[in-house]
Amino acid sequence: ELKVEQNPLFLSMQEGKNYTIYCNYSTTSDRLYWYRQDPGKSLESLFVLLSNGAVKQEGRLMASLDTKARLSTLHITAAVHDLSATYFCAVPSGNTPLVFGKGTRLSVIA
Amino acid sequence: AAGVIQSPRHLIKEKRETATLKCYPIPRHDTVYWYQQGPGQDPQFLISFYEKMQSDKGSIPDRFSAQQFSDYHSELNMSSLELGDSALYFCASSPGLNTYNEQFFGPGTRLTVL
Repeated sequence: ELKVEQNPLFLSMQEGKNYTIYCNYSTTSDRLYWYRQDPGKSLESLFVLLSNGAVKQEGRLMASLDTKARLSTLHITAAVHDLSATYFCAVPSGNTPLVFGKGTRLSVIA
Repeated sequence: AAGVIQSPRHLIKEKRETATLKCYPIPRHDTVYWYQQGPGQDPQFLISFYEKMQSDKGSIPDRFSAQQFSDYHSELNMSSLELGDSALYFCASSPGLNTYNEQFFGPGTRLTVL
């Protein structure tokens, strides 16, 4: 059974600082998704990582995938308040289309 | 671009009542997925359909049933509602059956059971 673990689950960071969120998964997969969710809202697709070594950047967020280590990272550069949200990684498996991590609740404070 | 449409957006029901949630996928998407997200939880896969046939089944209670119609829209029917059914219910759609195809999520239906 595929398990997806994120850490940290809660993150409070100051504006302007950098930080990395980690996503580990337990079985082989060659793709991984990152989503952002604001409270009570839908899941907004951030990144689709399709192969080993994939790296994608959008604004202050950069995601990477290491399929051999079964690890993805979401790096935040110079955080701003607008990045406050919950971030989920998700991995597709054979029997379950997407298995999500528990989410990282990010709060960016001045 | 057209997105996934869900209705209603909010629904309040009493215990033991029934509820029906609807999902209209992105045009030309033939696969629909249903997820349940409890308060403070991650989304959990319930069930999916491809070309009007059930394709995968997750942690969907026996009290729930779903189907996909000829126009590809899907309905999730929930009976004997319990307090624990209060959650956000998301529908997602994708082109094709491959579970590795990217899924596009709708805005969700917030169900509150009193």
